[in-house]
Amino acid sequence: GQQLNQSPQSMFIQEGEDVSMNCTSSSIFNTWLWYKQDPGEGPVLLIALYKAGELTSNGRLTAQFGITRKDSFLNISASIPSDVGIYFCAGSRGGADGLTFGKGTHLIIQP
Amino acid sequence: NAGVTQTPKFRVLKTGQSMTLLCAQDMNHEYMYWYRQDPGMGLRLIHYSVGEGTTAKGEVPDGYNVSRLKKQNFLLGLESAAPSQTSVYFCASTNTLLETQYFGPGTRLLVL
Repeated sequence: GQQLNQSPQSMFIQEGEDVSMNCTSSSIFNTWLWYKQDPGEGPVLLIALYKAGELTSNGRLTAQFGITRKDSFLNISASIPSDVGIYFCAGSRGGADGLTFGKGTHLIIQP
Repeated sequence: NAGVTQTPKFRVLKTGQSMTLLCAQDMNHEYMYWYRQDPGMGLRLIHYSVGEGTTAKGEVPDGYNVSRLKKQNFLLGLESAAPSQTSVYFCASTNTLLETQYFGPGTRLLVL
């Protein structure tokens, strides 16, 4: 089965820095989603994108649905300690067969 | 409104034992999913259901069975557990295919 190519695998940054991560695919998706997972918890939705070219913000988070429908990026501005976790991108083709996930980006923030 | 709940939270099995994982949602969602999460692999779909009484195979269905006898519950069964099934299992649900999926807290399974 296909998985999305998510990068980087991990990021070590200083508090206050901006963060950028992205996902690419060889095939198109109709919906792109970004989730965050804290240790011992299930993924929690951060941002959902439904239209090619769409740029959506949620507080300090901004995500874009690539115009080709094969990629998406997530930016986090002015990182804070609670941003630590694993960020997953996920794509949906609109069918009933669930989401295709990236392998995750581990975000580690050094005080 | 509890959202999506999973039981048990953690379980240790011996090879060959069987068990059932329960997922329950109180949002009246039609679609329910079982994923497994392994280190470095992200989440992979095991089975899913588009409504009460229906199930379908996902990406990695071998060694698992599922049932959706009630709309709010989705059961994942392991008939004969193997060490390769050591993983974290997540259940998710959604009301329409255009909406996002909501995840449960996970079940951590260790097969010795």
